[in-house]
Amino acid sequence: EAGVTQSPTHLIKTRGQQATLRCSPISGHTSVYWYQQALGLGLQFLLWYDEGEERNRGNFPPRFSGRQFPNYSSELNVNALELEDSALYLCASSLPPGYNEQFFGPGTRLTVL
Amino acid sequence: AQTVTQSQPEMSVQEAETVTLSCTYDTSESDYYLFWYKQPPSRQMILVIRQEAYKQQNATENRFSVNFQKAAKSFSLKISDSQLGDAAMYFCAYRSAGGNQFYFGTGTSLTVIP
Repeated sequence: EAGVTQSPTHLIKTRGQQATLRCSPISGHTSVYWYQQALGLGLQFLLWYDEGEERNRGNFPPRFSGRQFPNYSSELNVNALELEDSALYLCASSLPPGYNEQFFGPGTRLTVL
Repeated sequence: AQTVTQSQPEMSVQEAETVTLSCTYDTSESDYYLFWYKQPPSRQMILVIRQEAYKQQNATENRFSVNFQKAAKSFSLKISDSQLGDAAMYFCAYRSAGGNQFYFGTGTSLTVIP
C-alpha cells in the first residue's frame, strides 16, 4: 500500500512569490492535514480538509490556503511568500474523523530567499 | 487551546541502555489520546506508540513503553535497549477524543552513542 506522497521534495522561491505544494493521501483516507515544521518550533497545524471541505484552520494568515480535490488529494498555496515561511511542510492523512492515527508524508522543504 | 511541552530539546543514550523522554500537556478535557511520533533524519514521521486517556494501563510496543500520569498530565516515553536506529527527533502529540486536530510538542532530538 502506497503511503502519503508529497511533491515537490524541495522548492525554492523568492520573497513575494507564490508556492504550491501537493499531497496525495493513502488510498481510502478522506482527511488531509497540513503542518508547518519550522526549526525549533515543532509542528504547527495549518489546515484540515475532509471530503473536500476545509474543516479547521490553524493560527496562520489568510495567505496560507488550500483545497482538497474529489480524489482527496490536496494542495497548499502560500501567497506573498515571506522569509519566515521557510520550513518543512508536512502533509498527513487519516481515515474519516473518529479514527485516531495520522500518517505523514515525507514533506516539502520550502526555502524563501 | 491545548499545549504540549517537551522540555528536553536534546537527549543522548548509550547503545543498549534505556532512555526516557519527557512530555507534559495542558488540557481541561477528560477524554483524549496521546501519541509519540518518531522522525528519523530525512525520513518520514511514523507513529511509535499511543495511549488512550481512559485506559489506566500504560501502552507498550516492544522496546517502547510510556508512563502515563493523567493527574499530573505527564506522558513520558521509555526506550529500552536503545539501538542506533532509534536516533531521531521524537514528538509528543495530543488529540482530543472529540476532535481531529493534533497538538505537537517541539520535539526531542535523540542521539544514540555506539
